[in-house]
Amino acid sequence: QKEVEQNSGPLSVPEGAIASLNCTYSDRGSQSFFWYRQYSGKSPELIMFIYSNGDKEDGRFTAQLNKASQYVSLLIRDSQPSDSATYLCAALSSNTGKLIFGQGTTLQVKP
Amino acid sequence: DADVTQTPRNRITKTGKRIMLECSQTKGHDRMYWYRQDPGLGLRLIYYSFDVKDINKGEISDGYSVSRQAQAKFSLSLESAIPNQTALYFCATTGSAGWTGELFFGEGSRLTVL
Repeated sequence: QKEVEQNSGPLSVPEGAIASLNCTYSDRGSQSFFWYRQYSGKSPELIMFIYSNGDKEDGRFTAQLNKASQYVSLLIRDSQPSDSATYLCAALSSNTGKLIFGQGTTLQVKP
Repeated sequence: DADVTQTPRNRITKTGKRIMLECSQTKGHDRMYWYRQDPGLGLRLIYYSFDVKDINKGEISDGYSVSRQAQAKFSLSLESAIPNQTALYFCATTGSAGWTGELFFGEGSRLTVL
């Protein structure tokens, strides 16, 4: 079992819809979780982080964390074609203090 | 200019050749990392360094070595390249104080081993 798992996709949504990206993790000791966005041919960039159970909102983006279920998600409201990218979920390992990345989910937003 | 610079950006080489990928940063960060990215596998950590005298293996260090020449420079070497080392390689940096989990990535070095 991978430490951080994501559905590779591609996830395709129409413009204006809500995109829901999901991630599960195996390290129960992990306390911090991150979403990075990577445009094709570019490097990853941090867009959200979440430490506490519940929701965290930033503009059109909402990160959700459920530690009991070991589940993290990213919701993108009013999806735009410019949101088309690969989204990488990462967990901060409780053993090593390093970020462990999932394989990434490719999102396609169709006009 | 980019804060984290990788050279070369693209390299094609042959099996058995020695390759060095270089990374330099102007962010003043003390922590530097080398990742490789393969389709469907995400980012995997090769080596990391928390300061000039500190070098640590990541999850896939076999076949690679690193050198931290200065706080701002961290090089990755493939002593004898093999085709399954064909990948996109990223250098990343972060500071240690109050770390939020944000890594700052270079633009990537695409390596092809024939």
